[in-house]
Amino acid sequence: QVQLVQSGAEVKKPGASVKVSCKASGYDITNYYMHWVRQAPGQGLEWMGIINPIYNSTTSAQKLQGRLTMTRDTSTSTDYMELSSLRPEDTAVYYCARDGRHFGDMDVWGKGTTVTVSS
Amino acid sequence: QSALTQPPSASGSPGQSVTISCTGTRRDVGAFDYVSWYQHHPDKAPKLMLYEVNKRPSGVPDRFSGSKSGNTASLTVSGLQTEDEADYYCNSYAGGDSYVFGTGTRVTVL
Repeated sequence: QVQLVQSGAEVKKPGASVKVSCKASGYDITNYYMHWVRQAPGQGLEWMGIINPIYNSTTSAQKLQGRLTMTRDTSTSTDYMELSSLRPEDTAVYYCARDGRHFGDMDVWGKGTTVTVSS
Repeated sequence: QSALTQPPSASGSPGQSVTISCTGTRRDVGAFDYVSWYQHHPDKAPKLMLYEVNKRPSGVPDRFSGSKSGNTASLTVSGLQTEDEADYYCNSYAGGDSYVFGTGTRVTVL
């Protein structure tokens, strides 16, 4: 069945980087966009960015530009999200979500990866 | 990219209806018919409930419906059930491969 399996929880110090993986199965990853979304404790969902397979490009939310890198390894059907220069306010659950090809219909989600930034 | 505006909370008794608004701008909600809605229960992944304003994915009950007028989209849940109690978020395409979520609404079934 179609599913996204994310990597495990991470604890990082301020200033460090974190890389979260999202392995897709049950479908051809090369035909689908992938969103990254996060939720900080007690806060709402925040759209972070997207991988566009058509143009092999990425788009990040303005506030994360310069710190967010999203990549895709088609050989392993795995997408990656790397966030650098971590701050305590980056503590959140990070989700990958497949775009179902209707402009923003995130139809399949990973279970989430908890990233804690603390000194 | 400012978050779309939703009311913090909404409530209704079982069997009643509740409507949640999602207000954006002419650069996002007002510009595209690409508004989606997500149901989020604590400690679970969000679930797609509607896309392209009013289309339901397979398996979503027809109690969930959507509409849009100008810069504001709405989600209506009819015939409220206890399992509908959750946080709901709208999301809109904002052009150039960018998207924005709403602030979220907690729905309580009284």
